[in-house]
Amino acid sequence: AQKVTQAQTEISVVEKEDVTLDCVYETRDTTYYLFWYKQPPSGELVFLIRRNSFDEQNEISGRYSWNFQKSTSSFNFTITASQVVDSAVYFCALSDLFSGAGSYQLTFGKGTKLSVIP
Amino acid sequence: GAVVSQHPSRVICKSGTSVKIECRSLDFQATTMFWYRQFPKQSLMLMATSNEGSKATYEQGVEKDKFLINHASLTLSTLTVTSAHPEDSSFYICSARLDLYNEQFFGPGTRLTVL
Repeated sequence: AQKVTQAQTEISVVEKEDVTLDCVYETRDTTYYLFWYKQPPSGELVFLIRRNSFDEQNEISGRYSWNFQKSTSSFNFTITASQVVDSAVYFCALSDLFSGAGSYQLTFGKGTKLSVIP
Repeated sequence: GAVVSQHPSRVICKSGTSVKIECRSLDFQATTMFWYRQFPKQSLMLMATSNEGSKATYEQGVEKDKFLINHASLTLSTLTVTSAHPEDSSFYICSARLDLYNEQFFGPGTRLTVL
């Protein structure tokens, strides 16, 4: 069974601070995808990144960076110089590539609510 | 990019009525669509996987007679909440899978309130 754990339920930071959102996953599969999504108050899920299990290179996109550590089954997300617009709920998710239904289902973590205070 | 729409975005209905929510992939064909439910301050829970031209696959604990799913075309899946009750009030989100990239694209969600 797959599982995604986001231990931080809520985080508050002051604007311009850096913040790291943790994500730990469990899967028996050797091939899988990891995702991060942002859900602002409007409710719509915004795709941030997808990483496959073969690619452990860290990725940077503007103020966002992701650290994938297969050895610790973690896929952490860091926002540098946080801004008020970053305030949202962030979800980490896992998808195997060979589910029984062949449908690449996503398993979501419970989410971390980030509040950036001006 | 791949766009998924949902209609309506918000619906309020009386207890006992049925509500239909549409999920459309606007610029791509999707053989597989997914329906999720999200209670306030909680995560997304997969309800069912909808496959074009065949019966939906429901997750454990989801009543298939209450949540009717129809995926009649490659761009449209519908979720009908039958005989809605206040406990069905929730945020319903659909996604459509773009086969080429093994990626799900999410709709904006439908907020259902049952009075």
